[in-house]
Amino acid sequence: GENVEQHPSTLSVQEGDSAVIKCTYSDSASNYFPWYKQELGKGPQLIIDIRSNVGEKKDQRIAVTLNKTAKHFSLHITETQPEDSAVYFCAASYNNAGNMLTFGGGTRLMVKP
Amino acid sequence: NAGVTQTPKFRVLKTGQSMTLLCAQDMNHEYMYWYRQDPGMGLRLIHYSVGEGTTAKGEVPDGYNVSRLKKQNFLLGLESAAPSQTSVYFCASSLPGEQYFGPGTRLTVT
Repeated sequence: GENVEQHPSTLSVQEGDSAVIKCTYSDSASNYFPWYKQELGKGPQLIIDIRSNVGEKKDQRIAVTLNKTAKHFSLHITETQPEDSAVYFCAASYNNAGNMLTFGGGTRLMVKP
Repeated sequence: NAGVTQTPKFRVLKTGQSMTLLCAQDMNHEYMYWYRQDPGMGLRLIHYSVGEGTTAKGEVPDGYNVSRLKKQNFLLGLESAAPSQTSVYFCASSLPGEQYFGPGTRLTVT
């Protein structure tokens, strides 16, 4: 089955700096890669996703890059703000419906004001 | 729309007791899922359903059963709770694509 590794497990940045979280996956058949943000006491919420036919996708201050050859993908957050503080999860799925997700272990991001 | 709701929010069980967690969604989604979340391990899929009346095993199904008698509801059952089932349980629903998660149920088994 699929295995997703996520690094780092914790990340502390100063407000305004950039943050990068990296994930690797094992199954070359995976073709859908979402990123979820989980705030304290809440369920995860999708913030951005990318499919295997795209190398990069941006949405305002967040971007995701995908390298299918190396089987890794990354989340980039620019101009971080205190409200970006949360746990972030990457995931990978091998079917187009995206309904068989394997999650990484999570990254706790702390943005210091 | 309430989205995805879960009942109860918290529960403490003794080893060997049984309980049912209820998930409800009002988005007319076909797919529903149950995950457990443990520190450092992300979310792991327990069981899922691709439509009313169907269920399938996920990554960690042992010790759990599920039922999807109505499209909007997905029930997770623990027949004989064990301390290893102490976790936070999340339900999610989706069309093909984005999964929408509920607020979670924190379960402690003593």
